[in-house]
Amino acid sequence: DIQMTQSPSSLSASVGDRVTITCRASQTISIYLNWYQQKPGTAPKLLIYAASSLQSGVPSRFSGSGSGTDFTLTISSLQPEDFATYYCQQSYIMPRSFGQGTKVEIK
Amino acid sequence: QVQLQESGPGLVKPSETLSLTCTVSDDSNTAYYWTWIRQPPGKGLEWIGNIFKTGNINYNPSLKSRVTISVDTSKNQVFLRLSSVTAADTAIYYCAKDSRGSGWYHFDYWGQGTLVTVSS
Repeated sequence: DIQMTQSPSSLSASVGDRVTITCRASQTISIYLNWYQQKPGTAPKLLIYAASSLQSGVPSRFSGSGSGTDFTLTISSLQPEDFATYYCQQSYIMPRSFGQGTKVEIK
Repeated sequence: QVQLQESGPGLVKPSETLSLTCTVSDDSNTAYYWTWIRQPPGKGLEWIGNIFKTGNINYNPSLKSRVTISVDTSKNQVFLRLSSVTAADTAIYYCAKDSRGSGWYHFDYWGQGTLVTVSS
């Protein structure tokens, strides 16, 4: 099974900040990496698929990069509605697996 | 717009079997896995398993001995059964579509989730 490890587990940031979240896979997964945003009381929402492809309707301040085992989600200018928990997920093989999540909080 | 809706008992007794149903409103796209994912209160996401329309099924090894996923394509429904439940199975259970969009699988549609509590 592939283990996904995110860092940091949480971070505090201000509106307008550039935020970077890292995800590492326990083995190579090419670009089979997706990112989700989850707000309290709601289901996760797809932001990025295939490591860097922006899902339709997602603001362009979100971007993804990486391949192999190391991946990054970047929010170029944090907005009030971006305070949430973010998860990476590999779709390379079964079983699918998620990172443990990164909570982005208001500083 | 695809919609997924989970349904089932919100309370299950320890040692009993949890049973949930997911109904999908639009099944025009056939290239996807029906998937169950759960989230214990305040914790992260755990992939439970999935089923393709052809019947190919995959389970999380950590739950495999207790999980059964099945599908009724005529009703656009997928089912989850989890046996011998304990308090550790208390979670929000989500149904999601693992769709092969643009050649890459990702969970593009989710149900709203249903909270299942295991308690006597």
